[in-house]
Amino acid sequence: QKEVEQDPGPLSVPEGAIVSLNCTYSNSAFQYFMWYRQYSRKGPELLMYTYSSGNKEDGRFTAQVDKSSKYISLFIRDSQPSDSATYLCAMARNNAGKSTFGDGTTLTVKP
Amino acid sequence: GAVVSQHPSWVICKSGTSVKIECRSLDFQATTMFWYRQFPKQSLMLMATSNEGSKATYEQGVEKDKFLINHASLTLSTLTVTSAHPEDSSFYICSAIDKSETYGYTFGSGTRLTVV
Repeated sequence: QKEVEQDPGPLSVPEGAIVSLNCTYSNSAFQYFMWYRQYSRKGPELLMYTYSSGNKEDGRFTAQVDKSSKYISLFIRDSQPSDSATYLCAMARNNAGKSTFGDGTTLTVKP
Repeated sequence: GAVVSQHPSWVICKSGTSVKIECRSLDFQATTMFWYRQFPKQSLMLMATSNEGSKATYEQGVEKDKFLINHASLTLSTLTVTSAHPEDSSFYICSAIDKSETYGYTFGSGTRLTVV
């Protein structure tokens, strides 16, 4: 069993829809929870990170972490075609060590 | 924010030759850098952790003699793919940690290697 499991997708939604991306994990030592966006042939770009449990909002993006359920989510409101990309969740034990990544979910937002 | 520059962005080489990929932290010092490999439509697979001034730590299954890592300064790590073969064709991505940030894990833009 993988340490981090991510909903595989692909996901296709109309412009303006609310998108929910999800990951589960098995290692209770994870303290940092990240979401990255990766466009084709580019390196991942950090969207948001959360330390421990809770919610974090940044513009149209909201990250949620439920450590009791070992479940994290990323919500995208008012999705735009420019949000079309692969989204990777990642987790780490600390802020200076290696991260473990999910397999990614490819999102397409259609105009 | 922290910027990590990776060069080249793409390279084509002949089978049997070696290729060097550079990863630089532009505005911060990085004592630790990571090298990943990514196949199409797959996630990032950690290859090795590069520590300035010491030997890299390789993940299980990664050949250290094939993927040479040198972290000679606080701003530069290099990955050399030696005697490359077509199966080494992949997207290689580095990342570096800016410890002055609460969470400063920044990726380079990646290098697409094609071995023909």
